[in-house]
Amino acid sequence: NAGVMQNPRHLVRRRGQEARLRCSPMKGHSHVYWYRQLPEEGLKFMVYLQKENIIDESGMPKERFSAEFPKEGPSILRIQQVVRGDSAAYFCASSPPDGYYEQYFGPGTRLTVT
Amino acid sequence: DAKTTQPTSMDCAEGRAANLPCNHSTISGNEYVYWYRQIHSQGPQYIIHGLKNNETNEMASLIITEDRKSSTLILPHATLRDTAVYYCIVRVEQTGANNLFFGTGTRLTVIP
Repeated sequence: NAGVMQNPRHLVRRRGQEARLRCSPMKGHSHVYWYRQLPEEGLKFMVYLQKENIIDESGMPKERFSAEFPKEGPSILRIQQVVRGDSAAYFCASSPPDGYYEQYFGPGTRLTVT
Repeated sequence: DAKTTQPTSMDCAEGRAANLPCNHSTISGNEYVYWYRQIHSQGPQYIIHGLKNNETNEMASLIITEDRKSSTLILPHATLRDTAVYYCIVRVEQTGANNLFFGTGTRLTVIP
């Protein structure tokens, strides 16, 4: 079984551009989570989604950040008008519909804002 | 906020058991103890979890004290590939409360 897939693995954006990060959960998983890891820090929760629903976005910055998990296709984390402080590794995780337990993480997308 | 306290770093000789402690003195009765690790900026990897009983799987053993205020993750025969940051996390198992709170973890270095 393929694991959680994220693309791109590396993304470079200039200040003011938009960044789109994609996450395909493991087969059969309908819960998706996004986390951000700043350099030399631990992961910070951003948002938890199920198909077509945002369940918990308590960790999302109030502006410029949005996430979706459509009925078909991958989950998208969108960052508008990126700034240097958005440079980080963004990890996606998924879990099965009946499993509140372990989350399976993807390899991450490393965003660099120049 | 993370509800756990872990040492910042530890060393372990290759082939020896690595014992990683975690304090969670404010843990609630319905909170589980989870362990994840992150190898060199890769995505975190689930290791093991437990509620009150000791648990063992192919990767590790989890020993939880009777009062549940602390636990120890044991890697029975550490290898160089076990060098990673290990995170101890407590969480409730319920819908809508599924996010994981990662603290700073313990950086384990396995020495040849």
